Amino acid sequence: RKEVEQDPGPFNVPEGATVAFNCTYSNSASQSFFWYRQDCRKEPKLLMSVYSSGNEDGRFTAQLNRASQYISLLIRDSKLSDSATYLCVVTSQTGGYQKVTFGIGTKLQVIP
Amino acid sequence: DTEVTQTPKHLVMGMTNKKSLKCEQHMGHRAMYWYKQKAKKPPELMFVYSYEKLSINESVPSRFSPECPNSSLLNLHLHALQPEDSALYLCASSHTLQGEDTGELFFGEGSRLTVL
Repeated sequence: RKEVEQDPGPFNVPEGATVAFNCTYSNSASQSFFWYRQDCRKEPKLLMSVYSSGNEDGRFTAQLNRASQYISLLIRDSKLSDSATYLCVVTSQTGGYQKVTFGIGTKLQVIP
Repeated sequence: DTEVTQTPKHLVMGMTNKKSLKCEQHMGHRAMYWYKQKAKKPPELMFVYSYEKLSINESVPSRFSPECPNSSLLNLHLHALQPEDSALYLCASSHTLQGEDTGELFFGEGSRLTVL
């Protein structure tokens, strides 16, 4: 089983739609959780951290379910500019640093 | 704008060349990383430096040689590469909170390497 699993998509959604991505992780001792966004031929950029209490940033909502070991990202009112690959990232403490594990990424294409 | 600076942005080299990729950050981060990313794949960890010491080498071939001259700089020396080493090489540093590494990565724009 992969440490971090994501549906690679692509998810093709119309503008204005709501879309949700899920990600599961296998290490129950994982400590920190993030969603990154990566545009084509660009570097990954942090979109948001994910907390058990859930967190929201404008049209984006992230949720963590530790019991089921999954995290989610909800995008409301999709914009064309949301088209990108969304990477789920999970970390665990190893020695003096955090081991960072990436999911394969979910590709989102928002269509007019 | 990224606060992690990588040079060069593009590099083309032959299999007998020796070149270096450079990375710099001035955010006071104490963990720095090299990742390799091929098209349509997630970043793949190569090396981790923590407090200027090599902490992790993910079984990377010796034709890749990392170096951390100080807490702000990270180099990747390249020698005798193969065409399959062509990829985007990403440097990242990790946010530190109260002396503990958070794992929150800040990436440079990457160096796109082509090996002929």
